[in-house]
Amino acid sequence: DVKVTQSSRYLVKRTGEKVFLECVQDMDHENMFWYRQDPGLGLRLIYFSYDVKMKEKGDIPEGYSVSREKKERFSLILESASTNQTSMYLCASSLALGWDEQYFGPGTRLTVT
Amino acid sequence: DQQVKQNSPSLSVQEGRISILNCDYTNSMFDYFLWYKKYPAEGPTFLISISSIKDKNEDGRFTVFLNKSAKHLSLHIVPSQPGDSAVYFCAASSGNTGKLIFGQGTTLQVKP
Repeated sequence: DVKVTQSSRYLVKRTGEKVFLECVQDMDHENMFWYRQDPGLGLRLIYFSYDVKMKEKGDIPEGYSVSREKKERFSLILESASTNQTSMYLCASSLALGWDEQYFGPGTRLTVT
Repeated sequence: DQQVKQNSPSLSVQEGRISILNCDYTNSMFDYFLWYKKYPAEGPTFLISISSIKDKNEDGRFTVFLNKSAKHLSLHIVPSQPGDSAVYFCAASSGNTGKLIFGQGTTLQVKP
């Protein structure tokens, strides 16, 4: 079974803090993704990576950066957290882009106060 | 601009009846469509998919229908069970971008 794990289920940070969200997958997948889920907006893609050290912006990259130093690990970084980044963050991985199903982690509920 | 839309935020059906969840899209370049199910406090899990070369795909109680001319797809669950109560997301992708675009989600409640 594919397993995608995220470092924290719940996180509370203060405005202006630097925040790291970590994601690890154990299926040797090439592609990894970061989404945020907000009520009424569904899942929106922040960044994705199709190979180690490679990254592409998604639909809402502003205020975020990512790092992929190893194939199994994909980190989302909030350089200076703001209250409008309070959200559920979901990491996913897939073998191929586009047509292949993505496997999701359980999510991190981030609250920025 | 929302390229994938699920216009019904919620749906309630009786156990044993059919659940029909709808999804509309605007981008004619989409060539693959997927449905995901999400329980509270869990990540979404893949349910069923369909390629644009087909108009129907069935997997047990779940059937997805694609109407390309109307840019519309639907997920049918027959018979519905209380364990199907969850949020359902449709998603679409095009081969040239590799990205999935998700709808807003529909919360399905199946009443015993």
